Amino acid sequence: KQEVTQIPAALSVPEGENLVLNCSFTDSAIYNLQWFRQDPGKGLTSLLLIQSSQREQTSGRLNASLDKSSGRSTLYIAASQPGDSATYLCAVPEAGGGADGLTFGKGTHLIIQP
Amino acid sequence: KAGVTQTPRYLIKTRGQQVTLSCSPISGHRSVSWYQQTPGQGLQFLFEYFSETQRNKGNFPGRFSGRQFSNSRSEMNVSTLELGDSALYLCASTPAIGQRTEAFFGQGTRLTVV
Repeated sequence: KQEVTQIPAALSVPEGENLVLNCSFTDSAIYNLQWFRQDPGKGLTSLLLIQSSQREQTSGRLNASLDKSSGRSTLYIAASQPGDSATYLCAVPEAGGGADGLTFGKGTHLIIQP
Repeated sequence: KAGVTQTPRYLIKTRGQQVTLSCSPISGHRSVSWYQQTPGQGLQFLFEYFSETQRNKGNFPGRFSGRQFSNSRSEMNVSTLELGDSALYLCASTPAIGQRTEAFFGQGTRLTVV
């Protein structure tokens, strides 16, 4: 069964810094990996989807990389802003095929200090 | 294009009661998945529906059930509520069943069982 781990669990940095969030998964036989953002008490906002054939995806100040062989993905946030404060979650489809839903990490709680 | 809509946003129920939550997917999306989010367990997959059929179910008791209508709208039902059912319930929609598509989430329904 797929397991997803996110490190660190929490991160607090001053505004303007570049930062990296990490996500690791145990079964490398994934079709894709998706990064989400969740604001307190709210739903999930999709940030980036990386297909297994891709190495990187970029959206604005966000860049996500995927290394299937090592079971790792990183989310790079450039020039962080207070509005980036949220919990960031990564998710992969359950291995084995079929409609098994997404397996999520516990998330990284990010605080950007003004 | 409207996003995923979940109703109601908040619910307070008493132990032993039952509750029904609703999810309207993005127009044109035919697959709806449900997740439970709690502080201790994080996000856990409940079930997925496609073409009015439950395709898979996560590790939850039979008190949790759902259905999907011909217009792809989905409902989930929890019977005989327990205190531990208090959680944020999220639904996600994708264009079709399968593991290569991006999942879009609603704002969730916050269920409190007292």
